[in-house]
Amino acid sequence: EVQLVESGGGLVQPGGSLRLSCAASGFTFSSYDMHWVRQATGKGLEWVSAIGTAGDTYYPGSVKGRFTISRENAKNSLYLQMNSLRAGDTAVYYCARGRIGGDYVDFDYWGQGTLVTVSS
Amino acid sequence: QSVLTQPPSVSEAPRQRVTISCSGSSSNIGNNAVNWYQQLPGKAPKLLIYYDDLLPSGVSDRFSGSKSGTSASLAISGLQSEDEADYYCAAWDDRLNGWVFGGGTKLTVL
Repeated sequence: EVQLVESGGGLVQPGGSLRLSCAASGFTFSSYDMHWVRQATGKGLEWVSAIGTAGDTYYPGSVKGRFTISRENAKNSLYLQMNSLRAGDTAVYYCARGRIGGDYVDFDYWGQGTLVTVSS
Repeated sequence: QSVLTQPPSVSEAPRQRVTISCSGSSSNIGNNAVNWYQQLPGKAPKLLIYYDDLLPSGVSDRFSGSKSGTSASLAISGLQSEDEADYYCAAWDDRLNGWVFGGGTKLTVL
C-alpha cells in the first residue's frame, strides 16, 4: 500500500525557515517524481515544487529562490526546505507522487498534509 | 486568480447529473492532459480523472471527463450525498513551466 506521511509543519515567524519531510512507503521511491502542493485555509490547491528521478527540480515563481526541494532515495524521503517565509506561505503542505504515463503525468497518491503557519 | 477557471460552486439534486467546467489556454489544457482531483471535506485530494477522461482503478464510473480545445469538463451522474466535495482540474502549463490548478468547484448535493 502506497503511503506518504508528511511532518515538520508548525508555527514560524515571518522571515524564518522550516524543513518539511515526507516519508514514502509501499513503492519504489527512487522511480517516481515527487511534488509538494499547498493549500491555504479555505483556498485552492497550489503546486509548490517538483523533483525528478534524476534530481532535477522545478518551482513556480512564487517560491523560486526561497524553497528547495530535495530527496534522499536511501531513506525513501522527500524534503522541502522553506526559507524567508511569509504570511502568504501559511498553508497545509501535501506531498504527492508523480505518475508518468506515455503522454500524461498526474499526482496519483497524496499524503495527509502538514500545516505551516507563518505568523509573529 | 487561478490560471485555470472553474465555477466556484455547483449544486444539483440526488440522482441527477452535474457538470463542472475548467477553462484554460493553449499553453495548458490546449496542449496537455487534464487531471481532476476530488477533495472530500477535511481530507487530502484524490486523483479522480487522469489523461482527460481516464478513471483510476476504484473510481466509480459515475464520474467522467472530457476535453475540447482549451476547455475540459467533469461530469458526475447519479449524484449521491457522498459526492459533496471540492473538485479541482489541473494541467501542466508550457509557458509557466509548471503545474496549474483551477480554483476549485464546491459541489453541493441538494
